[in-house]
Amino acid sequence: NAGVMQNPRHLVRRRGQEARLRCSPMKGHSHVYWYRQLPEEGLKFMVYLQKENIIDESGMPKERFSAEFPKEGPSILRIQQVVRGDSAAYFCASSPTRTGAYEQYFGPGTRLTVT
Amino acid sequence: DAKTTQPNSMESNEEEPVHLPCNHSTISGTDYIHWYRQLPSQGPEYVIHGLTSNVNNRMASLAIAEDRKSSTLILHRATLRDAAVYYCILKGGQGGSEKLVFGKGTKLTVNP
Repeated sequence: NAGVMQNPRHLVRRRGQEARLRCSPMKGHSHVYWYRQLPEEGLKFMVYLQKENIIDESGMPKERFSAEFPKEGPSILRIQQVVRGDSAAYFCASSPTRTGAYEQYFGPGTRLTVT
Repeated sequence: DAKTTQPNSMESNEEEPVHLPCNHSTISGTDYIHWYRQLPSQGPEYVIHGLTSNVNNRMASLAIAEDRKSSTLILHRATLRDAAVYYCILKGGQGGSEKLVFGKGTKLTVNP
């Protein structure tokens, strides 16, 4: 059973460009979470999605950031008009359901560098 | 979200047991205690979780105090690969918050 897959693993963007980060959850998992880790800082929750629905986006910056998890295909975290402060590691996690009884499995992350 | 308190760092010798403590005095009755770890330059990795009873798996053991206000992650024989930041996180039960709230964790150093 393949784990959570993220691509690309490394992404370099110039200021003002768009960044698209993809996450394929583990087989059978319909709940996806995105977290961000800024350099020398802790992991922060961004958004929680189920298929075709955003359930909790309380950690998403108000502008330029969006996320989706379509019926078919991977979850996408999209950052428009990137700025240097967006440089970070972005981790995706998945779980089979939403309760505290279940763990989240993390992908290897996408390291975004904005030049 | 209920908070947890962990020591900033701990040190161990290879092949010795390691006990990583976590205090969570404001835990609610439906909160599960989860442990994750993050090795350098990698994504977080699930370690173990429990509700009331002690738990064992291939990676570690979790000892939960009777009043559930504290818990201890036990690595029975530390290896160099166990050097990581360990996070103790409370996660709501049915109807609770789905997100993981990471604190600063405990940075474990394993000496050869």
